[in-house]
Amino acid sequence: DGGITQSPKYLFRKEGQNVTLSCEQNLNHDAMYWYRQDPGQGLRLIYYSQIVNDFQKGDIAEGYSVSREKKESFPLTVTSAQKNPTAFYLCASITTDTEAFFGQGTRLTVV
Amino acid sequence: GQQLNQSPQSMFIQEGEDVSMNCTSSSIFNTWLWYKQDPGEGPVLLIALYKAGELTSNGRLTAQFGITRKDSFLNISASIPSDVGIYFCAGRGSYSGAGSYQLTFGKGTKLSVIP
Repeated sequence: DGGITQSPKYLFRKEGQNVTLSCEQNLNHDAMYWYRQDPGQGLRLIYYSQIVNDFQKGDIAEGYSVSREKKESFPLTVTSAQKNPTAFYLCASITTDTEAFFGQGTRLTVV
Repeated sequence: GQQLNQSPQSMFIQEGEDVSMNCTSSSIFNTWLWYKQDPGEGPVLLIALYKAGELTSNGRLTAQFGITRKDSFLNISASIPSDVGIYFCAGRGSYSGAGSYQLTFGKGTKLSVIP
C-alpha cells in the first residue's frame, strides 16, 4: 500500500540531546514537509523540500535541521538548540496534482 | 504570506445537531481542502474542491468552494460522537510549477460533540 510513514510514534529526549524523526513515503511525491503542532494549536511549518538535495526553511526552522538525500525520505533532526521541543510533529508529502498526505505523527517529549 | 482565517476556533454541540465552519482568505486559491485530525493522529483528507462554486458531499459532510475563490465552508449534518476532532482547511494557490506544492492551512476548528 502506498503511504507516508513516520517513526517512532513516541520519542523521549533528554536535555541537550539531538534526536532524529523519520519520514518515509512511497507515493513518488516530489515535495515533503515537516510541521509542528502544539496542544490545541494549528500546524506550523518547520522545513519543506520540493526536490532531492534541496530544502527551504519554514516559519519556525530555528533549532531544527533536515536532509533530503532520497526522494522517499525526509528526516528531521531536533537539535539541542531547540529550547522547547515538546510537541507533535507531522510529516506530509504532495505532488503537483494531488492533495497532501500526512503521516501518523511523532510525539516528542523532553524528559 | 497568504493567510487563512478559519472560524470558529472551537465548537461544542449536541449530538444530532448540524455543524458549519468556514475559511476565508485574502488571496485566491485554486484548490480548497478539508482535513480532519483525530487526537494523536495525522490529519486525513475529507473533501477536495477544485472549481469555484463547486459543492461536494462525502456522506454527512458537504463542502463548497466559494465563487470568489477566497472562501470555503464545511457542513456536517446530524453530528455523532466520532465527529470529534480538529478540522483544518487548506488552500492551494497554483495548479503547476513550484507554487503548486504550497499549501496554506487554517488554524483549525476543534469540534466537541456532547452525547
